Amino acid sequence: QQPVQSPQAVILREGEDAVINCSSSKALYSVHWYRQKHGEAPVFLMILLKGGEQKGHEKISASFNEKKQQSSLYLTASQLSYSGTYFCGTASTSGTYKYIFGTGTRLKVLA
Amino acid sequence: SAVISQKPSRDICQRGTSLTIQCQVDSQVTMMFWYRQQPGQSLTLIATANQGSEATYESGFVIDKFPISRPNLTFSTLTVSNMSPEDSSIYLCSVVQAMTYEQYFGPGTRLTVT
Repeated sequence: QQPVQSPQAVILREGEDAVINCSSSKALYSVHWYRQKHGEAPVFLMILLKGGEQKGHEKISASFNEKKQQSSLYLTASQLSYSGTYFCGTASTSGTYKYIFGTGTRLKVLA
Repeated sequence: SAVISQKPSRDICQRGTSLTIQCQVDSQVTMMFWYRQQPGQSLTLIATANQGSEATYESGFVIDKFPISRPNLTFSTLTVSNMSPEDSSIYLCSVVQAMTYEQYFGPGTRLTVT
């Protein structure tokens, strides 16, 4: 079952914040987050391995609520370079290396 | 991180023909995967490429249509057989680092079937 992301699309001005959510119908063991720019391959941003874990990457951070089967990606003080499509990838079993991608969120940052 | 190359980067093929896509990694990796991404869509996992044994396919994908080889820990091929226009897509290989679970993608192969 493919994880569902919300919102589907968001437009921001530079400096504004955004939150992207990833919800799964299955119990989750770990979550990946990726950013994909048009015409390019997805780029790995971070992994969250434990329930309740929060991670940061520059001004991008994420949380993982294992009980709610959800993860959220937080983009703070957005920059033009943050534009792209964000995907979560989820693994439902401990020790699996196989990730199922979410539906995606298109994010555009305007000057 | 791993450096991954794919060949060809793009191709236009006629229906009924087959195309083999190559994926080369700059270091030995255990876990290698093949994904498909249709225009404007998310990535769909096709199969896990297992070294020395048959690939493990996801629901909706079969070996006769997408045969995969993995002769060693740095190389894999995906063949798209008996192509139809519905196979037009971007095909990506990826590797997952065993210790960190980080996943890295090749640049992709853009396939158009006419």
